[in-house]
Amino acid sequence: QVQLQESGPGLVKPSGTLSLTCAVSGGSVNSDNWWTWVRQPPGKGLEWIGEIYNSGNTNYNPSLRGRATISLDKSKNQFSLKISSVTAAETAMYYCARSVRGQLDDHFDHWGQGTLVTVSS
Amino acid sequence: YVLTQPPSVSVAPGKTARITCGGNNIGGKSVHWYQQRPGQAPILVVYDDSDRPSGIPERFSGSNSGNTATLTISRVEAGDEADYYCQVWDSSTSVFGGGTKLNVL
Repeated sequence: QVQLQESGPGLVKPSGTLSLTCAVSGGSVNSDNWWTWVRQPPGKGLEWIGEIYNSGNTNYNPSLRGRATISLDKSKNQFSLKISSVTAAETAMYYCARSVRGQLDDHFDHWGQGTLVTVSS
Repeated sequence: YVLTQPPSVSVAPGKTARITCGGNNIGGKSVHWYQQRPGQAPILVVYDDSDRPSGIPERFSGSNSGNTATLTISRVEAGDEADYYCQVWDSSTSVFGGGTKLNVL
């Protein structure tokens, strides 16, 4: 059973860089899957941030305007997220998830428990 | 690409709940549905329009045609009370609907 666990600072200053890591167990980040980040502001809906494949290929939500970077560390079996120039509006629960291929495209079959990041001075 | 869900749906226990997800020609896409109970991470309940992951009750089913996809929950139980989100892909970008809160009366 694949398990994912997010970790990182719970408090980030405005205009700073948010950095999170997702540790994967029971599976390999080198497998034929994309690895994804999703966030959820308090009381609001889900927002897809982006994804990375084992080759290092990435896709990002255009709404982030180039501020997000997702990377892979195969030696530690984990992947990471950085978002620069954050604002208070990016206070949210951040989830990592595994994407699996369906008939046409991917769905997210395993999720981490999430980690709350607050952007505040 | 925009997905439109009703903010809330209310249903009595034992009845059938239908949660819709509207999008332009969504019938041509593959729709996935997630359940999120308060304080918990989302879980996948339906993928590829109508398939269920192992462990998800048969009471959960899905359909997709035209401009509307629907998640149907039969014989609703109190434990089904949660937020439900639809999800699709559009040009290498994943999109979620705004979510629907299922209230079990």
